[in-house]
Amino acid sequence: DTAVSQTPKYLVTQMGNDKSIKCEQNLGHDTMYWYKQDSKKFLKIMFSYNNKELIINETVPNRFSPKSPDKAHLNLHINSLELGDSAVYFCASSQGALNDLEQYFGPGTRLTVL
Amino acid sequence: RKEVEQDPGPFNVPEGATVAFNCTYSNSASQSFFWYRQDCRKEPKLLMSVYSSGNEDGRFTAQLNRASQYISLLIRDSKLSDSATYLCVVNMEGGGADGLTFGKGTHLIIQP
Repeated sequence: DTAVSQTPKYLVTQMGNDKSIKCEQNLGHDTMYWYKQDSKKFLKIMFSYNNKELIINETVPNRFSPKSPDKAHLNLHINSLELGDSAVYFCASSQGALNDLEQYFGPGTRLTVL
Repeated sequence: RKEVEQDPGPFNVPEGATVAFNCTYSNSASQSFFWYRQDCRKEPKLLMSVYSSGNEDGRFTAQLNRASQYISLLIRDSKLSDSATYLCVVNMEGGGADGLTFGKGTHLIIQP
């Protein structure tokens, strides 16, 4: 009964490959997010989806594309992986996107690009 | 420029001591403030929200100083299990998820 789950937990791949990370939340939340935490532990928001619509998109390369088949899922697809994409990617969700911003994070996906 | 700054530490504190650290933010229009805790190789988890009047949850006290644009976290009677990285989170746009900015975290080590 994990609230926010991600798969896979670890992903090791070669440069140039395309990969996807899946995220699911069973909290009934309206908004889901993807964060990147780099080697310096800096956590930076990449995307968020509210009611299946993208509401923010930070300065993220267009090789990254979020896909939300329904309110409970927000997957992250990455094309043409680069060395600099190596990081831990966290999915999160929250109820609403205004005042109630408590976020529940998934366990993270550790991506290593060789 | 959006900025949330924290002293990265590490803060090495003996068990039972009181420790406090601050987080400064650059946007005076920020309205929402939070402290998250992140254990090594784990996901961040909400520790507490920070209200204008300050708030307390057990051994933890959070305060907001709007005039000086910082929030603080005080931990009393520290436990070994308090060892973690504490992330300051500020809504920099004055409302909404698009301005949510995380600090780089303060690493706290409680020593026996």
